[in-house]
Amino acid sequence: TQLLEQSPQFLSIQEGENLTVYCNSSSVFSSLQWYRQEPGEGPVLLVTVVTGGEVKKLKRLTFQFGDARKDSSLHITAAQPGDTGLYLCAGPPQEGYQKVTFGTGTKLQVIP
Amino acid sequence: NAGVMQNPRHLVRRRGQEARLRCSPMKGHSHVYWYRQLPEEGLKFMVYLQKENIIDESGMPKERFSAEFPKEGPSILRIQQVVRGDSAAYFCASSPPAGREQFFGPGTRLTVL
Repeated sequence: TQLLEQSPQFLSIQEGENLTVYCNSSSVFSSLQWYRQEPGEGPVLLVTVVTGGEVKKLKRLTFQFGDARKDSSLHITAAQPGDTGLYLCAGPPQEGYQKVTFGTGTKLQVIP
Repeated sequence: NAGVMQNPRHLVRRRGQEARLRCSPMKGHSHVYWYRQLPEEGLKFMVYLQKENIIDESGMPKERFSAEFPKEGPSILRIQQVVRGDSAAYFCASSPPAGREQFFGPGTRLTVL
C-alpha cells in the first residue's frame, strides 16, 4: 500500500505569515494532486503536478513535485484567513491506475 | 456544467435502519469513488466503480455495506442495519475515463442515533 504522509498535521499561524506543507512517500507517484477542504464541504482540487521537479503557482500558492516524484510541497505566501482549511495531497501510484491514495492531511488555521 | 451532486446532504438514522446515499457524477464522467471521513481525519477509500461494475471494493467493510453504479441513474452507497460507528461524512468523487483527477461532491453527513 502506497502511503502519503503529510506534515505538519496541524498549523496555526497569523495572517501575513508564510508556511510550507509537505507530502512525502517512499513510493513513486505518476502525479500528485493537492486539494483544499473547508468545513462541511467536499475537497476542491487546487492543482496537479506531473513531472519530477515541476513547480506550479496559483496566486499565493506554490506547488512543487520532487525530482524523484516521491514527494511534494505546498508553500503559501502571506497567508490569509480564507486559506484556512484541510489540505490534502493525493495521487495514483501508477499511470492509468484509478485508485488514488490520499495523504493524512494538514489542518491550517490562519488567524486574522 | 453541474458538478458532482450528492443527496441527501444530511441523513439521520436510528440504529438498525438502512441508509441510502446517492451520487450523480459530473457529465461525461464514468468513474465513481466513495470515501468516508471521520471528524478531524482524512479521507478513507471505500469503493471504486464504473458503470455496472465494481472495480475495487477493498475499502468496504465486508458486511452491511454495498455500492452500485447502474447503467442509468446515480451511484448508490447502501448501509444496512446502521450502527453508531457508521456516523461520518461520506464523499463521492468522479473522474472521466483515464482521468487522473477526481472531483468531489459536497458529501452526505450521516448521523446514527
